[in-house]
Amino acid sequence: SAVISQKPSRDICQRGTSLTIQCQVDSQVTMMFWYRQQPGQSLTLIATANQGSEATYESGFVIDKFPISRPNLTFSTLTVSNMSPEDSSIYLCSVEDGVERAAYEQYFGPGTRLTVT
Amino acid sequence: QKEVEQDPGPLSVPEGAIVSLNCTYSNSAFQYFMWYRQYSRKGPELLMYTYSSGNKEDGRFTAQVDKSSKYISLFIRDSQPSDSATYLCAMSHGNQFYFGTGTSLTVIP
Repeated sequence: SAVISQKPSRDICQRGTSLTIQCQVDSQVTMMFWYRQQPGQSLTLIATANQGSEATYESGFVIDKFPISRPNLTFSTLTVSNMSPEDSSIYLCSVEDGVERAAYEQYFGPGTRLTVT
Repeated sequence: QKEVEQDPGPLSVPEGAIVSLNCTYSNSAFQYFMWYRQYSRKGPELLMYTYSSGNKEDGRFTAQVDKSSKYISLFIRDSQPSDSATYLCAMSHGNQFYFGTGTSLTVIP
């Protein structure tokens, strides 16, 4: 299975600022995803990070708020822009390591715990 | 109605007990059914997956899928303190993927 690291592991930020989260994988993967995990809520997919093209965002998430980069097959960044306390959450990077898009072989990074004050 | 429903618990059991964790779902198109384990301050870790209906066993863990009832279960036999974690069910069809909210489990020595 892929080994995934995320930086930073946690941060406390002031409202109105932006934070960029990095995700590094130890092998080349086709699919990389960004999720948000809020207390008492299920994991919510923010977007699929596409290598060499614009990310694909889920309903309710927009590029201006969550710009994503994916310069190669092992690295991606998620920026949380113009933060508000409602953005306080755990942000998770995940990768798919299977043959097809079935998510049973999806692996997650350790997460970035963000608190916005 | 949510796509996936999962009782958040918390669930507390003595060491050695049999644990039953459950999820219900509404979309009959789901084909892959997964269970993830998430330790505190860690990312979810894939524990088991099942394709379509039936049972799957892996050591102390058994996953069951009943598509007729839209109900999936994870059984943990001889539970250990190291099993203390949040367990998330997940299911998918095509490129759509849905998670439950997770059940917090504590196994007391």
